[in-house]
Amino acid sequence: SQKIEQNSEALNIQEGKTATLTCNYTNYSPAYLQWYRQDPGRGPVFLLLIRENEKEKRKERLKVTFDTTLKQSLFHITASQPADSATYLCALHNQAGTALIFGKGTTLSVSS
Amino acid sequence: DGGITQSPKYLFRKEGQNVTLSCEQNLNHDAMYWYRQDPGQGLRLIYYSQIVNDFQKGDIAEGYSVSREKKESFPLTVTSAQKNPTAFYLCASNNGGQQNIQYFGAGTRLSVL
Repeated sequence: SQKIEQNSEALNIQEGKTATLTCNYTNYSPAYLQWYRQDPGRGPVFLLLIRENEKEKRKERLKVTFDTTLKQSLFHITASQPADSATYLCALHNQAGTALIFGKGTTLSVSS
Repeated sequence: DGGITQSPKYLFRKEGQNVTLSCEQNLNHDAMYWYRQDPGQGLRLIYYSQIVNDFQKGDIAEGYSVSREKKESFPLTVTSAQKNPTAFYLCASNNGGQQNIQYFGAGTRLSVL
């Protein structure tokens, strides 16, 4: 069955540094991969989507890469700020294309 | 404002009781979803509906039921058969596009008394 792994539950960095979060998947070749942000006690919010034929996607301080050979996506936040502290979830379609499968998330803490 | 509204924000269930969580959207989206989130776990799919009067079981449907009588509404009932209902429940929708970008409500936190 499809599996998504976000390889670290928590990541602590200092303000101004670049945060890099990893998402690995197995047993599937998705056409899209998505990243969401979730604040405590709130629902996830969509951030970025990257297609299988895109190597990289950027939005302001966010950058996502997608390596279909390694079956891995990297999510970068440059010049991180305390306001970036949240849990970040990666997601991809199930094989039927009818729903998303989410990773467990990585909780990022940015200290000033 | 367009969006997804979940109510109540907090809900308490007594042993043997069924409770219903509300989810309403005014985004005119066809597809709606219910997820359960436990501490340290990802979102797990309970049920989803791609069109009115039709719905499918997700990965953890046992002990739950849903209905989809209107496009705007997708209520979730947590039945007494669900022995471990304490969790954060999230409702989402998408417009049916191939990319399946989902829009989430603020969640309902269910606890057992």
